[in-house]
Amino acid sequence: GDSVTQMEGPVTLSEEAFLTINCTYTATGYPSLFWYVQYPGEGLQLLLKATKADDKGSNKGFEATYRKETTSFHLEKGSVQVSDSAVYFCALSDRGYGNKLVFGAGTILRVKS
Amino acid sequence: GAVVSQHPSRVICKSGTSVKIECRSLDFQATTMFWYRQFPKQSLMLMATSNEGSKATYEQGVEKDKFLINHASLTLSTLTVTSAHPEDSSFYICSASLSRSSGNTIYFGEGSWLTVV
Repeated sequence: GDSVTQMEGPVTLSEEAFLTINCTYTATGYPSLFWYVQYPGEGLQLLLKATKADDKGSNKGFEATYRKETTSFHLEKGSVQVSDSAVYFCALSDRGYGNKLVFGAGTILRVKS
Repeated sequence: GAVVSQHPSRVICKSGTSVKIECRSLDFQATTMFWYRQFPKQSLMLMATSNEGSKATYEQGVEKDKFLINHASLTLSTLTVTSAHPEDSSFYICSASLSRSSGNTIYFGEGSWLTVV
């Protein structure tokens, strides 16, 4: 079945450092890919998405590129802030956005000032 | 923006009792809601898809008699964990699907921590 593998955390960075959170997937079809973020005490929020190969999703300085050849969707940000501290989830949907999601385990990001 | 509210955020119950978790879409109607659970350091796993006015569709391996899902209105779905045991302790989170002409958008609740003692 479909699955998503994320790098384990927690990831601890200093403010303004470069961030990469790796995400790879296994899917039978051509999934849509997502990154969700969960801030402390809040629900999951969609951070960015990509629906086909080579698409780049971006939001709030975060980027991720849908790489079909490596089945990856790594999350990057050039300069993190303390306010980026949260849990980040990579996910896929095999039947388009709005249907059920398969999630990775989540990666805790802690940014120190 | 659209908001999904989950209640309670934390609950502790005794083994053998039942506990109900509510998921409400506050400012939109959701014909479809999803229930997930997450064990520590593991993925969120889809438990079931809840459709308003019909029976929920459970994922393989999820006991439908233990995890009762009711979606009686377009704004409320409930998950009842019956005869809870310590192994049911987990993080449960719901999401609701908002349908627009441009496509569907998923909104998540804040999640509920269940501890069975």
